[in-house]
Amino acid sequence: DTGVSQDPRHKITKRGQNVTFRCDPISEHNRLYWYRQTLGQGPEFLTYFQNEAQLEKSRLLSDRFSAERPKGSFSTLEIQRTEQGDSAMYLCASSLGLLSGRFTYNEQFFGPGTRLTVL
Amino acid sequence: AQKITQTQPGMFVQEKEAVTLDCTYDTSDPSYGLFWYKQPSSGEMIFLIYQGSYDQQNATEGRYSLNFQKARKSANLVISASQLGDSAMYFCAMNEDDYKLSFGAGTTVTVRA
Repeated sequence: DTGVSQDPRHKITKRGQNVTFRCDPISEHNRLYWYRQTLGQGPEFLTYFQNEAQLEKSRLLSDRFSAERPKGSFSTLEIQRTEQGDSAMYLCASSLGLLSGRFTYNEQFFGPGTRLTVL
Repeated sequence: AQKITQTQPGMFVQEKEAVTLDCTYDTSDPSYGLFWYKQPSSGEMIFLIYQGSYDQQNATEGRYSLNFQKARKSANLVISASQLGDSAMYFCAMNEDDYKLSFGAGTTVTVRA
């Protein structure tokens, strides 16, 4: 299977603990995105990378959140000192974006998500 | 400000019938893309169909078609010949700023046998 993969699929943690999620994008995709989806809502954009550079961070991404994409391959999303409000599905997506240009067709392929429950 | 509006929280459709899911959007940018995704209970977002703002023709992909009315800023999804496997959450999304997707709240579709 050459789709986007995420690990773990489910994570239950206690409030105050740190958690880290991993995303492996489609190998030839240079863009990688993180979204958060709460129950009954659509996904909300958190951050995105073009290769290894993190180019945009949403205001939703508080100081407790950090994302990395070393070497422009897989990415990790870490949440420090988790709170109950962090409980959500964390979705990763990747796409083959152009390096320049005003707008491009940018179909994003999503992974299965990591469902986080903070007790 | 909300950019994508999906006003139908849930819909029921009989198997083999067509169903239309509404989506309106708000943008002042002349260049944008509109997407529909399906999210079954397993959670994965599955791409269905895309419409670019400059596309002259309405997009079609198999049983999915997009009714794009640019002046009204609407991009409704039509699913023809509904199947039981179509039961899922459906999200309309807009791609602007060349990278991020803004999603609506979604519409739950339940197909009845």
